[in-house]
Amino acid sequence: GAGVSQSPSNKVTEKGKDVELRCDPISGHTALYWYRQRLGQGLEFLIYFQGNSAPDKSGLPSDRFSAERTGESVSTLTIQRTQQEDSAVYLCASKTYRGSSYEQYFGPGTRLTVT
Amino acid sequence: RKEVEQDPGPFNVPEGATVAFNCTYSNSASQSFFWYRQDCRKEPKLLMSVYSSGNEDGRFTAQLNRASQYISLLIRDSKLSDSATYLCVVNGAAGNKLTFGGGTRVLVKP
Repeated sequence: GAGVSQSPSNKVTEKGKDVELRCDPISGHTALYWYRQRLGQGLEFLIYFQGNSAPDKSGLPSDRFSAERTGESVSTLTIQRTQQEDSAVYLCASKTYRGSSYEQYFGPGTRLTVT
Repeated sequence: RKEVEQDPGPFNVPEGATVAFNCTYSNSASQSFFWYRQDCRKEPKLLMSVYSSGNEDGRFTAQLNRASQYISLLIRDSKLSDSATYLCVVNGAAGNKLTFGGGTRVLVKP
C-alpha cells in the first residue's frame, strides 16, 4: 500500500520567510512524528501526535516551530522566520502496532535549505 | 550522557565477512528496541525489531542485553549492498517517543 508521503521534497527559502511542510501518514496509522536531521547528524525528535491526545511538543527547538494535525490524517509543520540553522531534512513518520511491538515508517523527507 | 549511544564507525568490512556492533541505552525502563538502516540521503527504513530472546532475519541477528543495557546487530556474509548507516532506536521514557542513536556507518568493500 501507499507509504508516508511528504511535500515538497525540496524547499529553498530566504532567511526570514515562513515555510510549511506537509506529511500524509499511512492510512490508519494513529501516531505521527516529525524529526529533523541535519547533514551528517542523527535524528532529532520534534513533535509527536497520537489520536486526539495533546501532542508531545517537547522536541520543538523554538517557538518559531509549530505543527498541526487534522484528526488522524495530514500534518503540517510550520517554521516561521526561518534561519540558516533550520536547514535540514525534515522527516515525518507514522506508527502502527504489529504483533507485540510497534513499528515506525518514514516518509522521504523534505530537504529545507535556508539561504 | 546521551540516551542512546553508538560507535559512529565507519566499520570497513570485506565482502563476505561478519561484522557486529552495539548500541547502549541509558533508560533502564525502555521496552522496545529497533534497528533501522539509512542509506545516504534517504529516509531511515526499519530493518528489524529486537526481542528479548534475540531474533534473526536472514543474515541479520539482533540481540538485547537488558542487564548491561545494550543491543547488538550482527551481519553475516556481508554484501556490498549492506553498506549503510545503521541506527539504533529505543523507546524513550515517555513510552511513545522513539530515541535514535547517531548511527553506525558500515562500508562493505570488495
